[in-house]
Order: sequence, then structure tokens, then C-alpha cells
Amino acid sequence: DAKTTQPPSMDCAEGRAANLPCNHSTISGNEYVYWYRQIHSQGPQYIIHGLKNNETNEMASLIITEDRKSSTLILPHATLRDTAVYYCIVRATSGTYKYIFGTGTRLKVLA
Amino acid sequence: DTGVSQDPRHKITKRGQNVTFRCDPISEHNRLYWYRQTLGQGPEFLTYFQNEAQLEKSRLLSDRFSAERPKGSFSTLEIQRTEQGDSAMYLCASSLTRRQETQYFGPGTRLLVL
Repeated sequence: DAKTTQPPSMDCAEGRAANLPCNHSTISGNEYVYWYRQIHSQGPQYIIHGLKNNETNEMASLIITEDRKSSTLILPHATLRDTAVYYCIVRATSGTYKYIFGTGTRLKVLA
Repeated sequence: DTGVSQDPRHKITKRGQNVTFRCDPISEHNRLYWYRQTLGQGPEFLTYFQNEAQLEKSRLLSDRFSAERPKGSFSTLEIQRTEQGDSAMYLCASSLTRRQETQYFGPGTRLLVL
């Protein structure tokens, strides 16, 4: 099963863009990349997902490299409420399609 | 609120006791997952249901753990003879079968075994 690698922590100034990288070099050709975030003591919250093309929704943008080996989650104007652990996830490629979580990136947005 | 709900939100128990957690998925979702999360780690898969059928169990799920999803609706996760190592957040997620399915998580049940 594919795995993801993320930096353990990042800081971002409030109002600036937060760019969170993820490496998923072993992802299979037809698997999506999912991003979630988890605020302390809560369940993971869905943010966005993508396959090949860049995606944007009301929460964030997702940029996926052409070779699909990495992606970047962009929070365009980070606020203090965006402080959380961000997970880049791929699914298992067979059976249950369970999510395979890494340890995530702890993003701290600074006032 | 039409999201995934879990009950209880917190549970403190003594070692050796049995505990049971409940998950109510989003109503039309046919897939239900249980994950466990320990401090500082990402969630780890425990087990999965498609409708009422339990289709996969992780090696993390020892024989003290059992999960059910009668009638393909809510699910329960029971831990018998709890151990201190069972202390964790237990998360439930549900999804609808499709190629780009998205799992929606509940708030979790935090278990502390004394």
C-alpha cells in the first residue's frame, strides 16, 4: 500500500498562504489523494481530494504534480482557526480501501 | 445534525472491565470504518463494514475486540478485559461506495483505562 510523507511541523503567519507539502511517490495510477485536518481532540475533518488535476473548493486548493508523486495543500489566507494537524492520505489499493494515515503536519498559524 | 455521531465521547474505566462504544453513520452511507488513534499518531485502521458484513479486521484488533453492525445501520465496538494499552481515541467514519469515496469521521470516543 502507498504511504505518504509530510514535514512534522510548520508555522504560518495569519493572513498569509499556508503551503503544506506531501510526498506520495508510491501512489498507484488511479488512486486519489485526500487531505484532512484534525483540530485537537476532534475527529478528522475532510478538506479536499484530487486525482490528477488541481482542485479548489471553499476551504483550500490542491496542487498535484504531473507525475503524481507529490502534492501541496494551499490554505490561501490562513487564520488562527486553521491551526491543526493536516493529514495527506491515500487509500489501500485493495480490499477495504481503508485510509492509510501518516503522522501529519502540525500547522501553527501565528498572530 | 446529519453527520457521524459517536457515544460516549469520553469513557474512563478500570483495567479488566468491558466497554462498548456506539457509532451512528450518515444515514445513507453503506460503508463504516473504525480507527484507533494514540497520542501523537495518525489514526490506524481497525475494521470495516459494508452494510452489515464485516469484511476486514486489522491485526491490531485482538480477540478482546469485537465489532458489529446489525442491519447495516449503527455499529458497536466492544473491548473486553480492557488493558491500559487500550487507552486511545476510537474514531468511526462512514462513506458511500464509489471510486472517489470520501470518509466522514465522527468526533471520536476517548477511552482511558486506569
